[in-house]
Amino acid sequence: DVKVTQSSRYLVKRTGEKVFLECVQDMDHENMFWYRQDPGLGLRLIYFSYDVKMKEKGDIPEGYSVSREKKERFSLILESASTNQTSMYLCASSLDRSTDTQYFGPGTRLTVL
Amino acid sequence: ILNVEQSPQSLHVQEGDSTNFTCSFPSSNFYALHWYRWETAKSPEALFVMTLNGDEKKKGRISATLNTKEGYSYLYIKGSQPEDSATYLCAQADDKIIFGKGTRLHILP
Repeated sequence: DVKVTQSSRYLVKRTGEKVFLECVQDMDHENMFWYRQDPGLGLRLIYFSYDVKMKEKGDIPEGYSVSREKKERFSLILESASTNQTSMYLCASSLDRSTDTQYFGPGTRLTVL
Repeated sequence: ILNVEQSPQSLHVQEGDSTNFTCSFPSSNFYALHWYRWETAKSPEALFVMTLNGDEKKKGRISATLNTKEGYSYLYIKGSQPEDSATYLCAQADDKIIFGKGTRLHILP
């Protein structure tokens, strides 16, 4: 059974803190994605990765960075958290680049105070 | 940036009624169209992936059609049930995947 896990369901951080959101998939997928979901804005792509140590910017990369040292793990990093980064963060993985289904994790609801 | 539009934004349907909603996307550089169902407190789950103009897919009471020439896809739900209440997302894929904002479906008992 396909599984994508995220390190936390809920997280509360303070402005200026460095925040790590971890995502792990057990399907040997090549591709991994980070999205944020905000009311009225839908899912927006932050960063994605098509291979280990490879990363590409999505539509809203500002204020974020990512790390993919191992195939199964894709980390999203908020270098200095700000209140406008309060959001639901979703990780996903897929076998192929565009045509294959994306499998999503349960999401992390991050609140930055 | 691709613009994937979904309409309506929100929809209330009486239990037992059938319904449909639309996903519009730029028809250039088309590669695949995805539909996902996202229930509250759960992760989005894939419904369909369609790639060919004229494709029709069906899963139980839910079906979808694709018109790549005019850039739209319809999702149909026949005989709505309470468990159909969810947000339905479509996404166009070429070099990367772009999601629409979703249609929020509420089934009224």
